[in-house]
Amino acid sequence: NAGVMQNPRHLVRRRGQEARLRCSPMKGHSHVYWYRQLPEEGLKFMVYLQKENIIDESGMPKERFSAEFPKEGPSILRIQQVVRGDSAAYFCASSPDRASPQHFGDGTRLSIL
Amino acid sequence: RKEVEQDPGPFNVPEGATVAFNCTYSNSASQSFFWYRQDCRKEPKLLMSVYSSGNEDGRFTAQLNRASQYISLLIRDSKLSDSATYLCVVNGGGGSNYKLTFGKGTLLTVNP
Repeated sequence: NAGVMQNPRHLVRRRGQEARLRCSPMKGHSHVYWYRQLPEEGLKFMVYLQKENIIDESGMPKERFSAEFPKEGPSILRIQQVVRGDSAAYFCASSPDRASPQHFGDGTRLSIL
Repeated sequence: RKEVEQDPGPFNVPEGATVAFNCTYSNSASQSFFWYRQDCRKEPKLLMSVYSSGNEDGRFTAQLNRASQYISLLIRDSKLSDSATYLCVVNGGGGSNYKLTFGKGTLLTVNP
């Protein structure tokens, strides 16, 4: 019974490149959340998605960041034209409904050179 | 006031000790409260939900005081495997009940 699967575990990009982070929720979960953890900081909410819909993106930076959760396939967090400040651990979580506890994936550690 | 504030730590305790973590939150509309643990460079894992009446799970006891917006976690008879960062987490309340707000965490090291 697989948990939340994220890939890649580690991603290295040069400034100006694009980063794509993938998240497959737990089986039976249709609610996906992305959080970012900067060094020495707590996790910060970024975006909440259900299949094909963005429900709340209030935590997403206004530029360069986008997220999707298509009908088929994983949720994708996309960061265009990465900068050094984007270096962080990005965690995806899923739940069967919006009120249930969220279960987290292993995270993707993004490093920008 | 920070949204979720925890003891800064770190805590270093011997095996068998009792250790308590404290947390306060600022959003009076929050409805759900949790303790997660996070091992170094790993994902947060749900330890327990926290209920108004207080709840216990083995060696772990959680308390919630809504009036003072205070949450606690008590670990009794600590084990080496309890070494981790403990995260106090509250939800957004109302229409944002899915939005979790995390404290920075308190690092616990249990020594042999």
